Amino acid sequence: AQKVTQAQTEISVVEKEDVTLDCVYETRDTTYYLFWYKQPPSGELVFLIRRNSFDEQNEISGRYSWNFQKSTSSFNFTITASQVVDSAVYFCALSEKPDSGYALNFGKGTSLLVTP
Amino acid sequence: DTGVSQDPRHKITKRGQNVTFRCDPISEHNRLYWYRQTLGQGPEFLTYFQNEAQLEKSRLLSDRFSAERPKGSFSTLEIQRTEQGDSAMYLCASSVRSGAYTEAFFGQGTRLTVV
Repeated sequence: AQKVTQAQTEISVVEKEDVTLDCVYETRDTTYYLFWYKQPPSGELVFLIRRNSFDEQNEISGRYSWNFQKSTSSFNFTITASQVVDSAVYFCALSEKPDSGYALNFGKGTSLLVTP
Repeated sequence: DTGVSQDPRHKITKRGQNVTFRCDPISEHNRLYWYRQTLGQGPEFLTYFQNEAQLEKSRLLSDRFSAERPKGSFSTLEIQRTEQGDSAMYLCASSVRSGAYTEAFFGQGTRLTVV
């Protein structure tokens, strides 16, 4: 069963628009971690944020913000005033198993295209 | 650059051949992971090392796949008798085990094409 669902396969916006990427996760553990990674065309996964299950505070970092809601098992990511350089594939991931070194369980990704 | 390094970046091989990839993690990172990513999908976990010990293997890691980390530093992933379905990006990541969990840093991957 898919533990991380990113329902949006592709999103296209015009520069300066705000865009929200959705992520819904599934776990029975009470301790887990959630992540967002960015994968630009070069292919390297770039870490954006980590959240643990006990910290539901929303976070803002520049134009990026994250909304973590345990009640709906969601961890959504918003980019404000999008820029062309934001074009990439964005992955949400869940980590829950210490025996696997907290290996990441990724969603299928959302491809974001920002056009001028 | 002290990031995760993978070699080669690209590999084209004929079906049935063996291939080996190398990953050099960030220095002093004792955790090392291999993932596989196919087109249009997210990375999928293959295996995990803590120092030289391989502690976890995914069901995706068939008998044709073997990974090693002999001295707890660099790691190799070998695929024997490659099949077209093995065509994918193979990603390596490393992290450091500490009291507080730290995020994994990824290399740029090795893209394998089996023809």
